[in-house]
Amino acid sequence: KQEVTQIPAALSVPEGENLVLNCSFTDSAIYNLQWFRQDPGKGLTSLLLIQSSQREQTSGRLNASLDKSSGRSTLYIAASQPGDSATYLCASVDGSNYKLTFGKGTLLTVNP
Amino acid sequence: EAGVAQSPRYKIIEKRQSVAFWCNPISGHATLYWYQQILGQGPKLLIQFQNNGVVDDSQLPKDRFSAERLKGVDSTLKIQPAKLEDSAVYLCASSLVVRAKTQYFGPGTRLTVL
Repeated sequence: KQEVTQIPAALSVPEGENLVLNCSFTDSAIYNLQWFRQDPGKGLTSLLLIQSSQREQTSGRLNASLDKSSGRSTLYIAASQPGDSATYLCASVDGSNYKLTFGKGTLLTVNP
Repeated sequence: EAGVAQSPRYKIIEKRQSVAFWCNPISGHATLYWYQQILGQGPKLLIQFQNNGVVDDSQLPKDRFSAERLKGVDSTLKIQPAKLEDSAVYLCASSLVVRAKTQYFGPGTRLTVL
């Protein structure tokens, strides 16, 4: 059974700082790895998706990497802004049934 | 393109009462999912539909939870009777097909059971 762990559970940084969120998973037989953002009272918004054959994906100030062999993914946020404050969730997608397994998330607060 | 719609957005009930949640997926999306997200946890899949058939309901507490997707479009999730531990956000998501690269999530329904 896949288990996804996210560290840290919460992170508070000053505006402008670069930061890294970590995600680890126990079963490397994944279809892809996804990072989502969740704002209070709202659903999940997909940020980045990394196929199992890829090493990283970039979108604007966000960069996600994937190392299947070690069961790890990182989300790098450059030059953080107060608008980046949210909960960030990573999810692995099973290679056989395409089900998502989520971590508990990292609550990010960017202080002005 | 309209997103996934859910209603109500908030619901407060007492234990042992019943409650129902409604979801309208993105037009044309064949696969629909219901997730339960307890505070401080990641979403957990409750049930997955492909058109109007159930693909996976292995984590649905069938003694109290039920779901249907009539005509392969809208879906309803019901809890009867509710327990305190059912307090959570219930998220609906949809995807074009089962093997679609990503799912699109609605805003969720926050349920509080007193």
